[in-house]
Amino acid sequence: QSALTQPASVSGSPGQSITISCTGTSSDVIHYNYVSWYQQHPSKAPKLLIHDVSERPSGVSNRFSGSKSGNTASLTISGLQAEDEAHYYCSSRTSNSAWVFGGGTKLTVL
Amino acid sequence: EVQLVESGGGLVKPGGSLRLSCAASGFTFSTYNMYWVRQAPGKGLEWVSSISSGSDYIFYADSVKGRFTISRDNAKNSLYLQMNSLRAEDTALYYCTRGIHNYWYFDLWGRGTLVTVSS
Repeated sequence: QSALTQPASVSGSPGQSITISCTGTSSDVIHYNYVSWYQQHPSKAPKLLIHDVSERPSGVSNRFSGSKSGNTASLTISGLQAEDEAHYYCSSRTSNSAWVFGGGTKLTVL
Repeated sequence: EVQLVESGGGLVKPGGSLRLSCAASGFTFSTYNMYWVRQAPGKGLEWVSSISSGSDYIFYADSVKGRFTISRDNAKNSLYLQMNSLRAEDTALYYCTRGIHNYWYFDLWGRGTLVTVSS
C-alpha cells in the first residue's frame, strides 16, 4: 500500500498554533477526500479528530481543524494546551479499498 | 455504553495461530463496517483488515493477506480475526475499530489486545 508522510515531531508553546502536514506519496491516496486525523495519548486508544479532510465530529474541540491542498493534508491545532501533547496520525482510504496511515507526529507542548 | 472490547491476544510461537475477538455493545453492530488496526510496540498505526456490514466486502493489507481471515457474527455483535502462520513482525496491539457505512474513517476504537509472537 501507499504511504503517507508526516513530520516525526512538532512543538509549540501554550496558546500558539501548530500545523502537522500529511503528504501522499502516490496520487491516488490524497486525491480522494477521505483523509482523517487521530489523536493518541500514551497507552490510550486513538481518537478521531477530523474526517473527510475538514469535518469535525461532535465533541471534538473547534481548536482542531483540517485542510488539504494538492497532495498534502494538514491538521492545525490553535490555542495549544498541555493536554494536546500526544501523537497525531493521518489516514486515508486508497483507490483499491485499503487504508494507509502516516508514520505519526509527536506533538510536544513546551 | 457504546464500546468495543477486544480479547484473545497472548504469547504465541512463530508459525502458530491465534483468534482475536471483538465484542461490540451500545450500537447497532450490523449496520457498521468493522476493521482491525494494529500498532507494533513504539511504532505507528497499521491497517490490517476490513469487513463490510454484511460481510460482502473484505480487504486485507498485503502484509497479512493469505495468513489472516476477518469475519463477523452480527447475531452475536462480534468481530473476529483468525491469524495463522504468525511471524515476529505481527507482534502488536490489535485494535478493533468501527466505521460508518459509506464513510471512510474509524470513529470508535477499542482498547486493544496484545499479540506477541516469540519463541
